[in-house]
Amino acid sequence: QKEVEQNSGPLSVPEGAIASLNCTYSDRGSQSFFWYRQYSGKSPELIMSIYSNGDKEDGRFTAQLNKASQYVSLLIRDSQPSDSATYLCAVTGDSGNTPLVFGKGTRLSVIA
Amino acid sequence: DGGITQSPKYLFRKEGQNVTLSCEQNLNHDAMYWYRQDPGQGLRLIYYSQIVNDFQKGDIAEGYSVSREKKESFPLTVTSAQKNPTAFYLCASTAQGFYGYTFGSGTRLTVV
Repeated sequence: QKEVEQNSGPLSVPEGAIASLNCTYSDRGSQSFFWYRQYSGKSPELIMSIYSNGDKEDGRFTAQLNKASQYVSLLIRDSQPSDSATYLCAVTGDSGNTPLVFGKGTRLSVIA
Repeated sequence: DGGITQSPKYLFRKEGQNVTLSCEQNLNHDAMYWYRQDPGQGLRLIYYSQIVNDFQKGDIAEGYSVSREKKESFPLTVTSAQKNPTAFYLCASTAQGFYGYTFGSGTRLTVV
């Protein structure tokens, strides 16, 4: 059974700080990694994807991937109250046809 | 605008009833998915389809059925055999390959 593990939180950070969200996965053959943001009562929204080791930056968001350690992280710089949401990590298998496996999510709270 | 439409937004089911959740996409995506989300449980895969007239069971398929007669449509039926159907149901789609999913806005099903 493929697993994706996340700390459920809540992770509380002050406004303007860096929020760091972490995720580990069990399938060493996984090829693609995604971060989704989900506001309460809403559906998930894709915010970052990463496919190779290293960092990928998009605005205030940076995704980091370390395949040797089977570890993915998401950094949110200059955190805003509007970033308060649950962040879901999702991982594919070694085939593009394999459904995504989701972690249970980390709840982030940004305090003004 | 392209996207995924789920209907209805809220659905109430009486004991012993079958109900059908609608999912339609105009993104020309080949693959479609149904997930169930319970509080604290993350997203769990019910069924998925990668091509018309073909679909596969996910991790929690018991008590559910699907069809894929058209590329655009992937309805989910919650049968009376599903003993605990109260949950948030999410439909998603993607192009084939290592891409993230686009989600619909979800259907919240409650047993009354």
